[in-house]
Amino acid sequence: DAGITQSPRYKITETGRQVTLMCHQTWSHSYMFWYRQDLGHGLRLIYYSAAADITDKGEVPDGYVVSRSKTENFPLTLESATRSQTSVYFCASSESRDRSSADTQYFGPGTRLTVL
Amino acid sequence: AQSVAQPEDQVNVAEGNPLTVKCTYSVSGNPYLFWYVQYPNRGLQFLLKYITGDNLVKGSYGFEAEFNKSQTSFHLKKPSALVSDSALYFCAVRERWDYMIYNQGGKLIFGQGTELSVKP
Repeated sequence: DAGITQSPRYKITETGRQVTLMCHQTWSHSYMFWYRQDLGHGLRLIYYSAAADITDKGEVPDGYVVSRSKTENFPLTLESATRSQTSVYFCASSESRDRSSADTQYFGPGTRLTVL
Repeated sequence: AQSVAQPEDQVNVAEGNPLTVKCTYSVSGNPYLFWYVQYPNRGLQFLLKYITGDNLVKGSYGFEAEFNKSQTSFHLKKPSALVSDSALYFCAVRERWDYMIYNQGGKLIFGQGTELSVKP
């Protein structure tokens, strides 16, 4: 049972380059999320997706692009990386069956991205 | 605007002593509340959640949390701390579906995190 995986686990890139972080889940969860974790800021939501082909912005979406052509994959792209995007990125998924549920989000292991 | 606050950046406890990690929240309506733990170089792991009902919620690894509506708090507790409990702890809140547009989903708002250090 692979659960939720992220790749790469570590990435070093240069300012201005395009970088794609991958997220894959095997549970067929409807919802997927991308967060970034920075000291002093906790976790902040970048983008999320309610289902394939449905995505929406979170708290800090600028400079990021997402897509979700398949339920199990939710890649995050930095179109032109900046130093301020150096961070640890976490993907999460959850299954919300109905409006009264409070389904838990399950997190991947994270990708540590350094932009030089 | 909804928010979560963890007033302590760090909590130090001796092994065997009880521990408390504090969390307060501000949301419209009744919230869903969560605690997660993060070990070094790992993702967040779910500990427990409060939806409704009994104000004392029991979770993984012997942790429990007490929901206090009047004080808008959801403090994490453990009767006897272990060195292996040393980690970063996050409180999170999510609005109920009733207050949300369906496609917005169950977004979580996280606190800043509290570093728990348990010494032998």
